[in-house]
Amino acid sequence: DARVTQTPRHKVTEMGQEVTMRCQPILGHNTVFWYRQTMMQGLELLAYFRNRAPLDDSGMPKDRFSAEMPDATLATLKIQPSEPRDSAVYFCASGPETGGASEAFFGQGTRLTVV
Amino acid sequence: AQSVTQLDSQVPVFEEAPVELRCNYSSSVSVYLFWYVQYPNQGLQLLLKYLSGSTLVKGINGFEAEFNKSQTSFHLRKPSVHISDTAEYFCAVIRAGNMLTFGGGTRLMVKP
Repeated sequence: DARVTQTPRHKVTEMGQEVTMRCQPILGHNTVFWYRQTMMQGLELLAYFRNRAPLDDSGMPKDRFSAEMPDATLATLKIQPSEPRDSAVYFCASGPETGGASEAFFGQGTRLTVV
Repeated sequence: AQSVTQLDSQVPVFEEAPVELRCNYSSSVSVYLFWYVQYPNQGLQLLLKYLSGSTLVKGINGFEAEFNKSQTSFHLRKPSVHISDTAEYFCAVIRAGNMLTFGGGTRLMVKP
């Protein structure tokens, strides 16, 4: 049963600490998305990778957020330093690219709380 | 820039009643359209998608949606809902080569 795996599922950290969230996309998928979900803003796209190359990260605060794909089986989203306003659920999604359209298969999310 | 509007933030409905969740998109070019469902404390799960062909698309759990190009709509329907359909539903659009853009979500609340 292929699925996107995110770790950790929950993270509580103190303001100023570094946070790293990890995602294992479905094997064979060549697109990876990072979304942030909050009550106020809904689902926001933070970063989008195709074939491990970042195509769009305009939704990501560059001063503290960074997203990488060290290899095809791992995507990371890092926040340094973290702030209380970063508290949210972060979703990773991966997808096959079919005819230029890419649907997304979502992981279960990392619920981040910054205190 | 394309955007997606879900007109209703919450839709309460009684069990076994029909439901329609509305979605409109703003784009004059061909788009691909999706509906996702999110159950509590879960990620999003694809319900159905429209890429081309028949404008009536059937998905999982008895849901269907109709693509209406002239009205730029992609409303989601189910003839008879169950308590287990209580969840948040997201409409999303994508143009070829672009990213999924989600609407604000509609919370479907099915009451006994």
